[in-house]
Amino acid sequence: AQKVTQAQTEISVVEKEDVTLDCVYETRDTTYYLFWYKQPPSGELVFLIRRNSFDEQNEISGRYSWNFQKSTSSFNFTITASQVVDSAVYFCALSRMDSSYKLIFGSGTRLLVRP
Amino acid sequence: EPEVTQTPSHQVTQMGQEVILRCVPISNHLYFYWYRQILGQKVEFLVSFYNNEISEKSEIFDDQFSVERPDGSNFTLKIRSTKLEDSAMYFCASRIGPNTGELFFGEGSRLTVL
Repeated sequence: AQKVTQAQTEISVVEKEDVTLDCVYETRDTTYYLFWYKQPPSGELVFLIRRNSFDEQNEISGRYSWNFQKSTSSFNFTITASQVVDSAVYFCALSRMDSSYKLIFGSGTRLLVRP
Repeated sequence: EPEVTQTPSHQVTQMGQEVILRCVPISNHLYFYWYRQILGQKVEFLVSFYNNEISEKSEIFDDQFSVERPDGSNFTLKIRSTKLEDSAMYFCASRIGPNTGELFFGEGSRLTVL
């Protein structure tokens, strides 16, 4: 069975602080995808990243970076120099690498960035 | 930028009524999905649809739910007889092909069952 755990239900930081959102996953599949989505207060789901299980390189995109570690089944997300606009719920998700693309979401981490 | 559009953005209905949520996926996409998010909870997979048939469905997607693509552009989710616990945000999503591209989500349709 597949499972995604986001143990941090809510994080509050002051603007310009760095913050890391944790994601731990479980799967018996040897190949899979991992995702992060952002859900701002307006409610839509905004795609941030997709990683393949065979690509463990960390990725950086502007103030965002992702640390994928297969050894610990973790796919953590760091926001550097956080901004108020980063306030949102962030979801980590997992899917099999097959045609179904059924995403299994974690319960989300609510990030509040205070000015 | 192409996007997935959903209507209505919010629907209020009485328990037992039928509801149809509509989605227009991105035009060249072939795979379509419905997900559900009960307020304050995680996003849950309902159903995937390809080549005019259901590819996979979750245990949530019981006989009260159905999907169809009646005219080649709209992708609809029907709930035959709504229950209070069907109150949620329903997200439509689409992607271009198997194992390719990101999954594009619509902005969601909020369903409130009274």
